[in-house]
Amino acid sequence: EVQLVESGGGLVQPGGSLRLSCAASGFTFSSYWMSWVRQAPGKGLEWVANIKQDGSEKYYVDSVKGRFTISRDNAKNSLYLQMNSLRAEDTAVYYCAREYYSSSGRTFDIWGQGTMVTVSS
Amino acid sequence: EILLTQSPGTLSLSPGERASLSCRASQSVSSSDLAWYQQKPGQAPRLLIYGASSRATGIPDRFSGSGSGTDFTLTISRLEPEDFAVYYCQQHGSPITFGPGTKVDIK
Repeated sequence: EVQLVESGGGLVQPGGSLRLSCAASGFTFSSYWMSWVRQAPGKGLEWVANIKQDGSEKYYVDSVKGRFTISRDNAKNSLYLQMNSLRAEDTAVYYCAREYYSSSGRTFDIWGQGTMVTVSS
Repeated sequence: EILLTQSPGTLSLSPGERASLSCRASQSVSSSDLAWYQQKPGQAPRLLIYGASSRATGIPDRFSGSGSGTDFTLTISRLEPEDFAVYYCQQHGSPITFGPGTKVDIK
């Protein structure tokens, strides 16, 4: 079964750090771009960052540039998001998502169940 | 950055009715980069449509997508009870962006 399982969320104080992990199974992890997408409580979806198959390219939404770092370990079939200098506005459910590229289009075809990050004193 | 606007914000319909959801982009989007997702409370989003009009695996044929350029539409031909949810459009340009969502609720 194709699956993504996030972990590492929790309560952290403003200015603190947290590292999220996403364990992939059921597919060849090293063949796919991967992304993090977040959703603040009661709000819509926001793409956060993505990373190429070999880790050579990484992109971020402007609001997290310089604070968040996406990485991957293909040997461990794992995706990571290191979050530093956390702010209250980073409070959200963070989803790991697989990017699917085909002749018909590019999209997020597989999503994890999400992990909650709460930034509060 | 391409901004996506979805309308209406909320659509109140009865089971069996037809739903038409609109997604408009601030600039032209490649059809291959436009997708639709369904999200129910407490669940992760689920891919419905990619490439503007291709149904994802396992998605019933009552769901269809159309459009090009800056105007895209998700149509649900006959609403089933399990279709009441929030629907998001998304474009896969740089940066990737999502629309604010349309909630389809029971009238």
